[in-house]
Amino acid sequence: GAVVSQHPSWVICKSGTSVKIECRSLDFQATTMFWYRQFPKQSLMLMATSNEGSKATYEQGVEKDKFLINHASLTLSTLTVTSAHPEDSSFYICSAYRGLNTEAFFGQGTRLTVV
Amino acid sequence: DQQVKQNSPSLSVQEGRISILNCDYTNSMFDYFLWYKKYPAEGPTFLISISSIKDKNEDGRFTVFLNKSAKHLSLHIVPSQPGDSAVYFCAASEGPGNQFYFGTGTSLTVIP
Repeated sequence: GAVVSQHPSWVICKSGTSVKIECRSLDFQATTMFWYRQFPKQSLMLMATSNEGSKATYEQGVEKDKFLINHASLTLSTLTVTSAHPEDSSFYICSAYRGLNTEAFFGQGTRLTVV
Repeated sequence: DQQVKQNSPSLSVQEGRISILNCDYTNSMFDYFLWYKKYPAEGPTFLISISSIKDKNEDGRFTVFLNKSAKHLSLHIVPSQPGDSAVYFCAASEGPGNQFYFGTGTSLTVIP
């Protein structure tokens, strides 16, 4: 079946540094990928929609200059958390549709801890 | 504004019995629904889906029921197994290519 691979699965970084998270569709092309964030004991919340070859669409309240999204190819989208702060510590998950298939495939998630 | 709601944060069921997880939504434009299972520190894994043209979809031990008039869906797991213990999220979208809206999850514990 289709697989979405997310890397790294766990990262600890110092406050003020930047962290890049990769999301790859391994056996299909994904023109659209979604980035979600989950706070403890809360639901997954959409951060932004990543479209190949164009600028990402950010949800209200999400700082586009802080959470940089690049969807440079049909199989790769990256999320860069810039100048990370402890409040950015969270679980980040990407997902992608395979064409018109209505099922969304999810990456394994990335646990970010900013110290 | 939470468009998809799971009002039971936790559920405990004896092994072999039926587990029923419930989900309510408010957006009448939703026409595709999914249930995901999630273990701690892992991404969600797809379980079962249903489109608005159906009211039931079955896959092995998992059955999803959709009541469009009540804007309610439920996931039935029978028989429940200890390995089913996880957090279950329902999600809804307005169709292919659209974002999913997730419920807050229900933590299921199946007691051996």
